[in-house]
Amino acid sequence: GNSVTQMEGPVTLSEEAFLTINCTYTATGYPSLFWYVQYPGEGLQLLLKATKADDKGSNKGFEATYRKETTSFHLEKGSVQVSDSAVYFCALSLKQGGKLIFGQGTELSVKP
Amino acid sequence: DTAVSQTPKYLVTQMGNDKSIKCEQNLGHDTMYWYKQDSKKFLKIMFSYNNKELIINETVPNRFSPKSPDKAHLNLHINSLELGDSAVYFCASSQADTEAFFGQGTRLTVV
Repeated sequence: GNSVTQMEGPVTLSEEAFLTINCTYTATGYPSLFWYVQYPGEGLQLLLKATKADDKGSNKGFEATYRKETTSFHLEKGSVQVSDSAVYFCALSLKQGGKLIFGQGTELSVKP
Repeated sequence: DTAVSQTPKYLVTQMGNDKSIKCEQNLGHDTMYWYKQDSKKFLKIMFSYNNKELIINETVPNRFSPKSPDKAHLNLHINSLELGDSAVYFCASSQADTEAFFGQGTRLTVV
């Protein structure tokens, strides 16, 4: 079946550290891939997306590259800030505008 | 101007009660969803409607009944609430060529 696996959290980093959150997927067909972010007490916001192999999504200093050969979509940021503290969800969709299948979420805590 | 809005934001109720959560989107999207987020933050699709028609029902108990009076609204009615229904429920909407936009969530607590 279709599924998404993320690295376990919580992840705790110091401000300005490098961030990687691993995400791998299993899918029949060619999914679109997403990273959503959930700040405390809020809903989910799209952080970035990629719709085909080798696409790179980027936003607010975060990046992720759609790697079909390794079925991965790892999230990276060169220098995290305290305000990046949130839960990050990797997700896939098998068609544009279709339902999302989420990973289990990774909680990030950035300390000053 | 909120794109996807849900009410109420918090709902505390006793076991056995019936409650509804409302959702409205002003994005002109054709498809709306309900997702459930459990205590471990795991998110799972419950229902999806496209132009008022049910297209996804992910083996959710019959006590949950979505209703879409028009394509801008998707409400969730829950009968005979149980302790295990406590969760955060998110409404979302999308169009064929866009990502999903989420509401702020409704935190349901059954006591």
